[in-house]
Amino acid sequence: KAGVTQTPRYLIKTRGQQVTLSCSPISGHRSVSWYQQTPGQGLQFLFEYFSETQRNKGNFPGRFSGRQFSNSRSEMNVSTLELGDSALYLCASSLGLPDEQYFGPGTRLTVT
Amino acid sequence: AQSVTQLGSHVSVSEGALVLLRCNYSSSVPPYLFWYVQYPNQGLQLLLKYTSAATLVKGINGFEAEFKKSETSFHLTKPSAHMSDAAEYFCAVSVRAGANNLFFGTGTRLTVIP
Repeated sequence: KAGVTQTPRYLIKTRGQQVTLSCSPISGHRSVSWYQQTPGQGLQFLFEYFSETQRNKGNFPGRFSGRQFSNSRSEMNVSTLELGDSALYLCASSLGLPDEQYFGPGTRLTVT
Repeated sequence: AQSVTQLGSHVSVSEGALVLLRCNYSSSVPPYLFWYVQYPNQGLQLLLKYTSAATLVKGINGFEAEFKKSETSFHLTKPSAHMSDAAEYFCAVSVRAGANNLFFGTGTRLTVIP
């Protein structure tokens, strides 16, 4: 069974630009959650999508948004990038209950 | 509100020695608790989880953790450290039914000395 895949793995953007990250969950998983990992703030929950609906949202500004498609694949978008957005963005999928989440390898975003 | 505190950002043990990584949680309702491991440049891998069944939970790679409600703790242990255990370990809590948002501790970096 294929694991969670994230594309791209590495990304370099300039301040003010926008970026879209993609996540393909494990087959059959309907929940996709996104997390930001930085050395200073650690791992922080961004949002969760379940059956194409945002079910939970963390404490991030509106520049961070996401969506989920009918095949459960998810994208997150960050607009007007700031230097502080440099981070490892992790996607996790699960069947939907508050059960174990399976993480992808992450997308490392560097904002210059 | 729920939160997790991991005591000790760095822990060093000798190969073959006991591994003990500490995690205390704060939650107003019965929690779900997890331990994840992260190797360099990789995502998180689930080691074990507690979801209100047995209080002693066995996970992968010889790790186990015990849920102690009276101490609000969920410490991770392994009887004998192996070089391959060197990684960063995260404790996480999730409390709301139907929600999949994990609250993570700040992590503990485990070094294994040969």
